[in-house]
Amino acid sequence: QVQLVQSGGEVRKPGASVKVSCQASGYTFTSYYMHWVRQAPGQGLEWVGIINPRGGSTSYAQKFQGRVTMISDTSTSTVYMELSSLRSEDTAVYYCARAGGPRDYFDYWGQGSLVTVSS
Amino acid sequence: DIQMTQSPSTLSASVGDRVTITCRASQSISSRLAWYQQKPGKAPKLLIYKASSLESGVPSRFSGSGSGTEFTLTISSLQPDDFATYYCQQYDSYWTFGQGTKVESK
Repeated sequence: QVQLVQSGGEVRKPGASVKVSCQASGYTFTSYYMHWVRQAPGQGLEWVGIINPRGGSTSYAQKFQGRVTMISDTSTSTVYMELSSLRSEDTAVYYCARAGGPRDYFDYWGQGSLVTVSS
Repeated sequence: DIQMTQSPSTLSASVGDRVTITCRASQSISSRLAWYQQKPGKAPKLLIYKASSLESGVPSRFSGSGSGTEFTLTISSLQPDDFATYYCQQYDSYWTFGQGTKVESK
């Protein structure tokens, strides 16, 4: 069965960087796109970006351009999202989510990784 | 950017009620709309895609309709497991979510 297993929670100080992982199993890793979505405490869902694990091409929401980097490791079926220059407003649960195509909905989600930014 | 607006933000209902949630897009998105259910502390779960297609394993009491800019999610007979927050999402131009509709017990 399809599973997306994310890394654990992280605490960072303002200005630092954080890297979150999402390991996929139960399907052909390079046949699906992966998105990252975040949810601040008590708030809605916000799209961060997308990566095509086959080739590694990416597209990021304008809000995060210059601060976010997504990479894929096909040897371990893992995608990573790194967010830099963290501020308190980046405190959120970060989810990875699978999509069947470059313009598609999200059919499977990871369990979420809480990133807390606090001095 | 395409904006998605859901209404209402909160809905109070009882088990057995018919529940309808509306989602409006700021421009036409054809039928490129999905609905998700999220429970506290959990990841969202896909319910409906392509505006009206029911995801495998999702109970048939859930249905979706609409195209262009106006969409609805209907729960024909609300069950105890359905109290949750529901989000619409457009995937026509990048990806945008509505602000969510919390379905709570009356």
